[in-house]
Amino acid sequence: DIQMTQSPSSLSASVGDRVTITCRASQSISSYLNWYQQSPGKAPKLLIYAASSLQSGVPSRFSGSGSGTDFTLTISSLQPEDFATYYCQQSYSTFTFGGGTKVEIK
Amino acid sequence: QLQLQESGPGLVKPSETLSLTCAVSGGSITSTSFYWGWVRQPPGKGLEWIGSIYYSGTTFYNPSLKSRVTISVDTSKNQFSLRLSSVTAADTAVYYCARVTYDSSVKRRSFDNWGQGTLVTVSS
Repeated sequence: DIQMTQSPSSLSASVGDRVTITCRASQSISSYLNWYQQSPGKAPKLLIYAASSLQSGVPSRFSGSGSGTDFTLTISSLQPEDFATYYCQQSYSTFTFGGGTKVEIK
Repeated sequence: QLQLQESGPGLVKPSETLSLTCAVSGGSITSTSFYWGWVRQPPGKGLEWIGSIYYSGTTFYNPSLKSRVTISVDTSKNQFSLRLSSVTAADTAVYYCARVTYDSSVKRRSFDNWGQGTLVTVSS
């Protein structure tokens, strides 16, 4: 099974900050990596697929990069609605989610 | 606009079988380039993929749950279902159904449409 490790598990940031979340796979997954945002009490929302492709309707301040085993999600300028939990997910071999990163208000 | 709606009992007794259905509207479950899946989230914890199914009936299961999980599809009703047997308190979670979009040419297999989720509690 492919394991996904996210870091940090939580972070505090202010509106306007640049935020970066990392995700590491236990083996190479090429670019089969997705990122999701989940607000409290809501279903997850797809942000990025195939490591760097922006899902339709998602603001351009979200971006993804990486391939192989190391990936990043970047929010260029944090907005109030971005305070949420973010999950990476590998889709190279079935599916595995990372443990999540909670982005909190500083 | 595609919508998915989970339904089923909110309370299941230990050792019994959890059964949920996901009704798909605004699109056909037999559309190519899509398949369908279940994800769960225990209270306060992260997401866990349970399994996925293609409209033809081909299934993929999480190895950690495979012995207890059955996912099926009913194309005539445009819905798919989850059965999880021998449940324990550890199976208490919000269960989501979702559509999976795949496109191997761009290395895409992603859950792009989700139901609102339904809480299932395992308790006597």
